[in-house]
Amino acid sequence: GAGVSQSPSNKVTEKGKDVELRCDPISGHTALYWYRQSLGQGLEFLIYFQGNSAPDKSGLPSDRFSAERTGGSVSTLTIQRTQQEDSAVYLCASSPTSGQGYGYTFGSGTRLTVV
Amino acid sequence: GENVEQHPSTLSVQEGDSAVIKCTYSDSASNYFPWYKQELGKRPQLIIDIRSNVGEKKDQRIAVTLNKTAKHFSLHITETQPEDSAVYFCAAPGGSYQLTFGKGTKLSVIP
Repeated sequence: GAGVSQSPSNKVTEKGKDVELRCDPISGHTALYWYRQSLGQGLEFLIYFQGNSAPDKSGLPSDRFSAERTGGSVSTLTIQRTQQEDSAVYLCASSPTSGQGYGYTFGSGTRLTVV
Repeated sequence: GENVEQHPSTLSVQEGDSAVIKCTYSDSASNYFPWYKQELGKRPQLIIDIRSNVGEKKDQRIAVTLNKTAKHFSLHITETQPEDSAVYFCAAPGGSYQLTFGKGTKLSVIP
């Protein structure tokens, strides 16, 4: 596609429910990244994929968070048993490949609110 | 891992003045330094980047300088305009494949 697409754009969920966030990267981009941005804060790294593999999951906050990528394209970030502290904007980005020297293109994000 | 410090956290300038945002990084393996602009409610967008084989790069009213010895890099915006108002983030990769971002600088340009 022309850009990075994320869905849904907004999600309100009740505490304890599971949510799935979707990211569709730019066609041909093999590297995909998930970040979290809390209100007025910086960008917190969660996980990245090179192809379908996730070499670095070190940023996932807890075992309630998981992510997968299939076909080297679409990625899904799943949060189980959501908590209020999970409320944030979840940003996805892609780049032509991993490694230094490649800027990211970000999606518009999913604003998650846990009530 | 990489640690990126960004200053100041907020910056107000009069329209037409210059703005400078500074970042330091810790990992000498970093050799790529991008800057992102995030307008309110929008996605971060890459505005300029620099690689370690150059010391300065310019694009119209914005420029970035890099001092690898001191491990710092800066964003310079000249002749600021109200549409420059946004949050700016610097980043560096360290020895990893993902970027570590600074905490951001909220720039306000006062007409």
